[in-house]
Amino acid sequence: GQSLEQPSEVTAVEGAIVQINCTYQTSGFYGLSWYQQHDGGAPTFLSYNALDGLEETGRFSSFLSRSDSYGYLLLQELQMKDSASYFCAVTLGGKLIFGQGTELSVKP
Amino acid sequence: GAGVSQSPSNKVTEKGKDVELRCDPISGHTALYWYRQSLGQGLEFLIYFQGNSAPDKSGLPSDRFSAERTGGSVSTLTIQRTQQEDSAVYLCASSLDARDNEQFFGPGTRLTVL
Repeated sequence: GQSLEQPSEVTAVEGAIVQINCTYQTSGFYGLSWYQQHDGGAPTFLSYNALDGLEETGRFSSFLSRSDSYGYLLLQELQMKDSASYFCAVTLGGKLIFGQGTELSVKP
Repeated sequence: GAGVSQSPSNKVTEKGKDVELRCDPISGHTALYWYRQSLGQGLEFLIYFQGNSAPDKSGLPSDRFSAERTGGSVSTLTIQRTQQEDSAVYLCASSLDARDNEQFFGPGTRLTVL
């Protein structure tokens, strides 16, 4: 089967950099995505890695290494509004398989 | 433009009743997905449609769950003879097509089975 593992919680201070890791036991997937979900809200797309390496989108970057079965989301210049849950997901066929999510708390 | 909409936003029902959840995808999006999210958990894939066809129904938990999509637009998820373990937020998403990397999610329907 497929499984993705993420830390359940991460805490960081405003202005800092934080990395949220995602390890997976999945093969044959097309790519790794990251979604953000604020409390009670809809998940929103952040980034997608089809190939190994780093993808940068503003303050957010995402990395994938298929040989290490590992990816991460890097958030820079943290802001209070970044407090949310972050989910990694692999694309398999036409569907997304999600990890359990990491709750990020940004402190002043 | 309008995003993905879902109705109702909240549904409370009694065990054993049937419920229907509706999803209106973004106009022009041919792929539509249903997920379920229990409290504090990740999203669990249920089913997806490309047009009106459902290539992958593998995530439906039991034969009490069914979904249809008509006219390549609106989709309905039906749960028959609801059980308490069906209580969750049911999220719908759409994308341009099933090869698109980005899915756009609706606000979800919170289902509570008493």
